[in-house]
Formats: sequence, C-alpha cells, structure tokens
Amino acid sequence: DAGVIQSPRHEVTEMGQEVTLRCKPISGHNSLFWYRQTMMRGLELLIYFNNNVPIDDSGMPEDRFSAKMPNASFSTLKIQPSEPRDSAVYFCASGGPSTDTQYFGPGTRLTVL
Amino acid sequence: SQQGEEDPQALSIQEGENATMNCSYKTSINNLQWYRQNSGRGLVHLILIRSNEREKHSGRLRVTLDTSKKSSSLLITASRAADTASYFCATPLGNKLTFGGGTRVLVKP
Repeated sequence: DAGVIQSPRHEVTEMGQEVTLRCKPISGHNSLFWYRQTMMRGLELLIYFNNNVPIDDSGMPEDRFSAKMPNASFSTLKIQPSEPRDSAVYFCASGGPSTDTQYFGPGTRLTVL
Repeated sequence: SQQGEEDPQALSIQEGENATMNCSYKTSINNLQWYRQNSGRGLVHLILIRSNEREKHSGRLRVTLDTSKKSSSLLITASRAADTASYFCATPLGNKLTFGGGTRVLVKP
C-alpha cells in the first residue's frame, strides 16, 4: 500500500490567492482527517470525515477554509483567500474509528507571502 | 483544548542510553497512542494501549498506562541516532483524537 498521499508537498503562494491541498487516503479506511501543524499551536485537527461525510469541522479556523470529500479516495482542503498566518504544514490522515490509529501523509508545507 | 501533555518538552541522550517521556491527560480514555515524527515528515503510529492494559511492548518500545493517575510513559531502550524525533501522545476527547505538544528527543552518536 502506498500510504496516504498528499499533494503538493510544498506550496508557496501570495496573499489573497486560492490554495488547494489534496489527499488520497489509504484504501479501505473510512475516516479522513485534516490537521494543521505550527510551532506556536502544535497539531490542530481542522476537520474529519467519516464515510465521506463531514462529521466535525469545529477546528476550521474561519470561512476562508473549506474541505470536501467527493468520494472515498479523494479529499481537498481549500483556502480562499490565503493569508500569511495560514503558513503551516497541513497533514491529511486516514484510519478507522475516529479515535483509533491514524495514518498520516507526508504533509504539505504551505508558505503564504 | 489539549487533552494530553508530554513531559519533558525536550530530551538529549547518548546513543545506547534509555529515553523516557511521560504523558498526562485530563479525562477518562479508552485508549492512548504514541506517535513519532521525524523532522519534515508526517506522524507515524508507534503503539496503542487500551484502558484495560497496564503495559505494552513493541520492539525497543515500552509503554505503560496508569489510569488512576491519568498518565502514560514511553520508554525507548538502547536508543539509536535514528530515534531522534519528536514523540507525541494522543488521547481521545469526545469523538476526536487530540495530540500533545510533543517531546523532542535528540540521540547523540
């Protein structure tokens, strides 16, 4: 198994631009999680899906952030418009029950100038 | 809000020594997990211990869980330079898994 796949691995953009991060979970996993990691705030859960349905998006910072999971093998996290404070590493993870073992992707390092 | 907190925040040891780090949490849990993160990489699951277990081993890793004290420890025996990483405990809070701030471990050759 290839594990969780994220793209792009690095993204540099200018303030105000739209950013789309992509994730392919491990086949057969029915939960998908988006996290953000910064030095100041550590690892924060943004949103998680179960069977492609958003279950908890209470961690999404504001309306500029949106996430979709159109099918079991693909999810996107979109930031529009992006701001410098959005600079972070964004991780996608997949797994079974939401509080059981999670498998993380390599992350997308986002820099907003 | 953070459910689990690791201690110490950072640890520096010589190769071959043991490394111990602790995690304290606030509310009752049904499991506790430890993850490792190498620099620039994603988190890797190390071990899951359930609330009815007191100790679990995986290779050079030993995890203990004391539900009465709401604490867990991770012991890495005979450390290697490749063990240099950040280690996180993760605990359920409601329907989510929450991660502590991590312990940064440096193993010097």
